[in-house]
Amino acid sequence: GENVEQHPSTLSVQEGDSAVIKCTYSDSASNYFPWYKQELGKRPQLIIDIRSNVGEKKDQRIAVTLNKTAKHFSLHITETQPEDSAVYFCAASYSGSARQLTFGSGTQLTVLP
Amino acid sequence: DTGVSQDPRHKITKRGQNVTFRCDPISEHNRLYWYRQTLGQGPEFLTYFQNEAQLEKSRLLSDRFSAERPKGSFSTLEIQRTEQGDSAMYLCASSLGQGVLYEQYFGPGTRLTVT
Repeated sequence: GENVEQHPSTLSVQEGDSAVIKCTYSDSASNYFPWYKQELGKRPQLIIDIRSNVGEKKDQRIAVTLNKTAKHFSLHITETQPEDSAVYFCAASYSGSARQLTFGSGTQLTVLP
Repeated sequence: DTGVSQDPRHKITKRGQNVTFRCDPISEHNRLYWYRQTLGQGPEFLTYFQNEAQLEKSRLLSDRFSAERPKGSFSTLEIQRTEQGDSAMYLCASSLGQGVLYEQYFGPGTRLTVT
């Protein structure tokens, strides 16, 4: 089955700086890679996703890049704000019928004011 | 609120008791997933429904766990003879789609504590 590794597990940045979180996946058949933000006690919320037919996708301050050859993808947050503080999870979905997500272990991002 | 809803939000039970959780997906979504999340970890897939059919189950889903989705609408997840290791957040997610990739939207979860 799929295995997703995520790092770093914790990340502290100053407000206004950029944050980068990296993930690798094992199954070359995976073709959908979402990122979720989870605040304490809240549901995971989809913030951006990328499909394997593109290499980069951007939405305002958030961008995701995908390198299919190396089987890794990254989340980039620019101009970080205190409200970006949360746990971020990457995930991968392979092309089996269920399309279930395999998650990384999460990155606790803290944006220091 | 037109998002995914789950009930109850919290459940405390004694070891050996049975518990049942409910998930109401977004109304037009035909796919429904159950995941389990323990502290400090990402959600882990448990089972998947397309409409009323349960099409896939994880090896994590022991025979004490059963899930249903009658009529392809809401779903229930039952845990029989609960164990302390069952303590976790149980998350439900739903999505559109058949044969293509669609976003999964999560509910708020049911936090189970087994004492």
